[in-house]
Amino acid sequence: DSGVTQTPKHLITATGQRVTLRCSPRSGDLSVYWYQQSLDQGLQFLIQYYNGEERAKGNILERFSAQQFPDLHSELNLSSLELGDSALYFCASSDGRASGGHSQETQYFGPGTRLLVL
Amino acid sequence: GQNIDQPTEMTATEGAIVQINCTYQTSGFNGLFWYQQHAGEAPTFLSYNVLDGLEEKGRFSSFLSRSKGYSYLLLKELQMKDSASYLCAVFNDYKLSFGAGTTVTVRA
Repeated sequence: DSGVTQTPKHLITATGQRVTLRCSPRSGDLSVYWYQQSLDQGLQFLIQYYNGEERAKGNILERFSAQQFPDLHSELNLSSLELGDSALYFCASSDGRASGGHSQETQYFGPGTRLLVL
Repeated sequence: GQNIDQPTEMTATEGAIVQINCTYQTSGFNGLFWYQQHAGEAPTFLSYNVLDGLEEKGRFSSFLSRSKGYSYLLLKELQMKDSASYLCAVFNDYKLSFGAGTTVTVRA
């Protein structure tokens, strides 16, 4: 158990719909990361937040958005869903404070949310 | 851009040693991570290298050569539970860029 929690575990929805995935980081971690993993692609970095502010952005579609709240939990919003959005969505957290190597930068992954768009 | 290459699949026998190579060409480098991922589960942290050389951690060791853009993960005394995907990831500019992963199958 990494200490990172994600809800829901599974989500089935229809094309065109909107869903929200939730993540709570490990106690004390300030950084939250979101990743998408589909069968034909590896882990793709979407976006990172540090202490409530967006810090890095990857290949995140405009239909997707995220935020990190004052209590440090994060939500990933996926809208106008398409069949191709079906994937495992992972959240990870890290200490994230001033770079000091391993202990600050190691990311710990939550169990993921499996999204199926029908 | 980021280009991280690792073999797609490897097979080895229980008790043997397997070495998974990873080569990378990235726009920057702040460290290299190895993660293990069982099918349908979350990646779990195995090792981290930021300086050249070998880091040993029980049955797992990881090596880095920054000048060659090369790393390997060495798994010793293979066990059936080591059957999984092994992901090489380069950390730079607050982002982790992952390779496609190497699926290791351990046979009895």
